[in-house]
Amino acid sequence: QVQLVESGGGVVQPGGSLRLSCAASGFIFSNYGIHWVRQAPGKGLEWVAAIWYDGSNKYYADSVRGRFTISRDNSKTTLYLQMNSLRVEDTAVYYCARDRGSYGQDIDSWGQGTLVTVSS
Amino acid sequence: QSALTQPPSASGSPGQSVTISCTGTSSDVGGYNYVSWYQQHPGKAPKLMIYEVTKRPSGVPDRFSGSKSGNTASLTVSGLQAEDEADYYCSSYAGSNVIFGAGTKLTVL
Repeated sequence: QVQLVESGGGVVQPGGSLRLSCAASGFIFSNYGIHWVRQAPGKGLEWVAAIWYDGSNKYYADSVRGRFTISRDNSKTTLYLQMNSLRVEDTAVYYCARDRGSYGQDIDSWGQGTLVTVSS
Repeated sequence: QSALTQPPSASGSPGQSVTISCTGTSSDVGGYNYVSWYQQHPGKAPKLMIYEVTKRPSGVPDRFSGSKSGNTASLTVSGLQAEDEADYYCSSYAGSNVIFGAGTKLTVL
């Protein structure tokens, strides 16, 4: 079955950087688009970024564009999110989520999430 | 990239039906048939309940159904059960991004 396991979360100071990873298994990783979605404590879901199956196209929410970078290594079946210039408002559980297809249109499976806390 | 509009809360008694709305624009909900609904219990990851407006993944009870009219999508839960109490989020593709609704807390009275 589809398995997505996030890692790399933790506590970081404002202005700092963090890289999240998402290890995928149970499906042909290179066939699917993948998303990052976050959820601030007690708040709703917020889409962060998506990447096509082959990494050729990447899309970002306005709130993170220019600070976050999504990437993937299909040989390692792993997704990444490089987060720079972190702000307090980036504090959230970050979920890795599989697209139902190749082009980042529609999410069907979710990981369990990793918590990122931005605080001084 | 404004969030889709959902009512903050909905409720019903066991056995009853409840409908949750999700309103967007012609650039998202009204423009694509990539509307999904997710159920989230406290402390858990979201779970896909409906995709492509009306389709149910295997394993999701047929008590859950989806529809769309214009810029508004809806999720109907029939025959409410205690385990249906959760937060529900809609989402829509919007051309180069995905937008979520703010969420609806469903309470089973």
